[in-house]
Amino acid sequence: NAGVTQTPKFQVLKTGQSMTLQCAQDMNHEYMSWYRQDPGMGLRLIHYSVGAGITDQGEVPNGYNVSRSTTEDFPLRLLSAAPSQTSVYFCASSYSGVGANYEQYFGPGTRLTVT
Amino acid sequence: ILNVEQSPQSLHVQEGDSTNFTCSFPSSNFYALHWYRWETAKSPEALFVMTLNGDEKKKGRISATLNTKEGYSYLYIKGSQPEDSATYLCAPGGGATNKLIFGTGTLLAVQP
Repeated sequence: NAGVTQTPKFQVLKTGQSMTLQCAQDMNHEYMSWYRQDPGMGLRLIHYSVGAGITDQGEVPNGYNVSRSTTEDFPLRLLSAAPSQTSVYFCASSYSGVGANYEQYFGPGTRLTVT
Repeated sequence: ILNVEQSPQSLHVQEGDSTNFTCSFPSSNFYALHWYRWETAKSPEALFVMTLNGDEKKKGRISATLNTKEGYSYLYIKGSQPEDSATYLCAPGGGATNKLIFGTGTLLAVQP
C-alpha cells in the first residue's frame, strides 16, 4: 500500500494564480481531510469529507474549494492564491464513524509559497 | 470550534530524564482523544487513540492517560532518548465523523 500520497511536494505560485493540490489514498478510508501548518498555529483543518460526494468546512475554509468524486481522491483547490496561503499542506485519511476513534494517516505534505 | 490547549509549548530535557505534557480540552461533546508524534521534516504519526474516562495506553516508554470529566490528558515519556525529540500533538474529536481539532503541540528536545 502506498498509504496517503500528495502531489506536488513543492509549489511556488504568484498572487492570483489558481492551482490544485492532489491527495490520494489506497486504504479505502471514508474520511479525508486537509490541514495547513503554520508556525505557532499547529495543524488547522481546512475542509474534510466523510465519503464520496460529501464535504464540509473546517476551521479555515476561506479561499479553498474541495470535492470528493471518488473514495480515493480528495483534491484541494486554491481559487486565487494569496501570500497568506503560504503554508505546508497535509492531507490525512482514516476510517469514519460516530466516535472519532480511528487514527488518521497523513501524507508527506505540500510546501506552497505564494509570492 | 473546540479550544485545545497544550503545555508546555516546548521542553528541553537531558537524555534519561522522564517528562510529561498536558492536553486540555472542553469536556462536553467529547468522543475521543488522539495523540500524534511529529518529527521534523516528516508527517504526524498516531501514538494513541483514547475514548474512555480513565483510559491508559502504553507504547514502549511512552504512555498516556485520559480524564474526560475534567477535560485533560497527560502524555508521559520515561527515560527520554534523543530519538524522542519531536512535536507531540493532541487532538480531541467530536461528532458523527472522525473530525479532529489539533492543539498547537509540545516541542520536545532531548539532549544526548
